[in-house]
Amino acid sequence: EDQVTQSPEALRLQEGESSSLNCSYTVSGLRGLFWYRQDPGKGPEFLFTLYSAGEEKEKERLKATLTKKESFLHITAPKPEDSATYLCAVPGSARQLTFGSGTQLTVLP
Amino acid sequence: DTGVSQDPRHKITKRGQNVTFRCDPISEHNRLYWYRQTLGQGPEFLTYFQNEAQLEKSRLLSDRFSAERPKGSFSTLEIQRTEQGDSAMYLCASSHSGTVGTGELFFGEGSRLTVL
Repeated sequence: EDQVTQSPEALRLQEGESSSLNCSYTVSGLRGLFWYRQDPGKGPEFLFTLYSAGEEKEKERLKATLTKKESFLHITAPKPEDSATYLCAVPGSARQLTFGSGTQLTVLP
Repeated sequence: DTGVSQDPRHKITKRGQNVTFRCDPISEHNRLYWYRQTLGQGPEFLTYFQNEAQLEKSRLLSDRFSAERPKGSFSTLEIQRTEQGDSAMYLCASSHSGTVGTGELFFGEGSRLTVL
């Protein structure tokens, strides 16, 4: 069974303090790894798709990277508006997504 | 706004009552998904439709749960004889089958169910 584990569960950063979130996965044949952002009381919002080890994607202060066993979401010089829960997911056999439990990021001004 | 819309946003019910949630997907999307999310957890897959056909159901979807998507447009998720363990956010998402490999789902804002 596919498993996705995210760490840390929660992370508090000062504005401008860069850090990384981790997503480790156990799947039988990776067909992509996806990152989503979820604001309180809202549905998840798609950020990135990564397909193969070594691939990187960037969007503003976020950069996602992928290895054979895990993915990292690097946040450079974060701002308070980057506060959210970040979820990673892998596709199941029917292309439904299996999500991790997320990392709740708080960026303090 | 042409995003995914869900109704109601909040529902409080007593144990044993039936509840129904509605989801209107983005109009050109032929795939529609239902997920359930509890506090501190990621969304868990329940079921999905391609057009009007229900193609996959999670084992989380007990026989008290039923979902429909008549005519391949909006969808409903009904929970019969609600239990306190059913309290969660029920999320609907849609996509087009041609973009399945990208993993990009468009989620609604969810319907929060509280069972007393």
